[in-house]
Amino acid sequence: EVQLVESGGGLVQPGRSLKLSCVASGFTFSNYGMNWIRQAPGKGLEWVAYISSGSSYIYYAETVKGRFTISRDNAKNTLYLQMTSLRSEDTALYYCVGLGAGYWGQGVMVTVSS
Amino acid sequence: DIQMTQSPSSLPASLGDRVTITCRASQDIGNYLRWFQQKPGKSPRLMIYGATNLAAGVPSRFSGSRSGSDYSLTINSLESEDMAIYYCLQHNEYPFTFGSGTKLEIK
Repeated sequence: EVQLVESGGGLVQPGRSLKLSCVASGFTFSNYGMNWIRQAPGKGLEWVAYISSGSSYIYYAETVKGRFTISRDNAKNTLYLQMTSLRSEDTALYYCVGLGAGYWGQGVMVTVSS
Repeated sequence: DIQMTQSPSSLPASLGDRVTITCRASQDIGNYLRWFQQKPGKSPRLMIYGATNLAAGVPSRFSGSRSGSDYSLTINSLESEDMAIYYCLQHNEYPFTFGSGTKLEIK
């Protein structure tokens, strides 16, 4: 059974940092490009970042470029999102997604508030 | 960035109806278009990939089509389990962009 399990979310003050993790199982993680996609409360879906299977290609949404860093450790079957200089508008449910295969995690909530 | 204009935003419909949701792409995206279904408190589910291909396990009453820059999701003979929010996604180029969503609800 395919599983993507996110962790690391929580309540954080504006300007602070947070690192999300996503552990994959049930498929060959190292073969797939991976994405982070977020959804603000009551809002639509927003693509955040992509990393290729071997980490050679990385892309970001303009809204997070320069503040967020996507990375992966294929030996640990884990995807990461390092978030810095957090803003209130980053408040959202963050999904770990293998778009090519249609795999979505259950999401992890990040709340940025003082 | 490629804009995906999705309509309608809300779609009241009756069980058994045939409904269509449309996304218009601001630039050429080929067939790099996916449709997702999202139910309350759940992660999105892939319904259609490559604009017209049914994802595994998706009922055959769902279908996708393309006419130029317009991409459509059609549901034939609506069932209660189809009530959800539907999103299109273009993945032709980065940044990937979603449509704003269509809330399908019972009339």
